[in-house]
Formats: sequence, C-alpha cells, structure tokens
Amino acid sequence: DTEVTQTPKHLVMGMTNKKSLKCEQHMGHRAMYWYKQKAKKPPELMFVYSYEKLSINESVPSRFSPECPNSSLLNLHLHALQPEDSALYLCASSRLAAGTLYGYTFGSGTRLTVV
Amino acid sequence: AQKITQTQPGMFVQEKEAVTLDCTYDTSDQSYGLFWYKQPSSGEMIFLIYQGSYDEQNATEGRYSLNFQKARKSANLVISASQLGDSAMYFCAMREGIGGSNYKLTFGKGTLLTVNP
Repeated sequence: DTEVTQTPKHLVMGMTNKKSLKCEQHMGHRAMYWYKQKAKKPPELMFVYSYEKLSINESVPSRFSPECPNSSLLNLHLHALQPEDSALYLCASSRLAAGTLYGYTFGSGTRLTVV
Repeated sequence: AQKITQTQPGMFVQEKEAVTLDCTYDTSDQSYGLFWYKQPSSGEMIFLIYQGSYDEQNATEGRYSLNFQKARKSANLVISASQLGDSAMYFCAMREGIGGSNYKLTFGKGTLLTVNP
C-alpha cells in the first residue's frame, strides 16, 4: 500500500461553514504535511507534523486548524474561510530517518471552493 | 533569492521525441536531495525521480533521467520518447539537510509540458 488518500476530492463551502479535510496513509510514515496550491503555482507548505506533533506552522491563519489524531491520520479543520482560500489542498507523507533524505508521497488533493 | 529555478514556463515536444526540462538550485548545504514531480490536470503530484547530492551517477527511472551537474547546480529532467500522457506540469524540488529537523520540500515554479501528436 503506497497511497495517501484524501477525502473529499471536491468541497464547496460557504464562508460561515465548518468543514474538515481528511488524509490517511498506511506506509508507516511519521511525517505528514498539508500544502496549499493555487492554480498554476507551486504548492506552498502550510503545516508539518512529525511523530504526531506539530513541528512547523508556516504562519497559517487560525481559520485553518490541523490535527493529527494518530500516525496514519491527518485532518485539516476549516472555519470561516474566505473566497481567496479556494485552492487545491494537498496532503503528503514521508519517512523520517537521520542521514537520509526522502521525498514525499502526495495524495490526489481536495479542490476547495469557498463561496 | 529563489532556491529552485525553472526558467521554462512552457515547453512543447512532438510525440516520441526527447525533451529536457531545466532546473537550477541554490543551497549551501553539502547534503541535499533533488526531486522531480509530475502534476497532471487532475491535481495529483506524482514522484518521478530522485538525485542525492552524494550520488555519483545520474539517476534514471524508465524513460526519465536526471542530468545532474553539481558544480553548475543544475538537475535537468530528460524525458525520452515522449508520450501524449506526459502532458502535465513538472516541478523540480529540493530537500536540504540531513536528519529530522528539516522537512521542507522547496518547489520551483514549474514547467508546463505539452506533447503534440
């Protein structure tokens, strides 16, 4: 099993709604990531979890709230978003090991539209 | 300063021909990894190939090869025998440092490749 699974694939939400994005991996990776990607731009890092603890928050607004309930799951809770938050949200995971550099395995993303 | 530079916003290639996508990078670390990802219009980021800074041979994965020139800090992707399904955005990315403290994968701006029949 070499997949990162993201749900839902598409989400439309109003600015007053609360919704959550879900990401799951069963590769035993201990680092998980949320990226935001606008159209025709590279992905931008939002959050990094390592060993289920938040290790990097790239100054993301508090209307985005990440959660890592266990080593396989990563959630992104959304509340009071703005239309400019509409984007593709990518989840990724990677191995962590001293002395080596590993790339990420990405999910297929959630396309979020805020109306 | 940009850490990853992809100077070709768009590239066109005829089916069955080879194409080279350019990538230069900037780092002061001795240990780093270079990656290429493909992103079709569906959105998924697909890992293609990896080159470590200490690897002496250029990486190859099927039709993909990485032309690694360390002194010039370039890591160009070569796709041989292009197929229509290769049409996608291609990102070059770098991960710096050894150990558990640096998790960031820094991306270039990408090159949109179009394969013509």
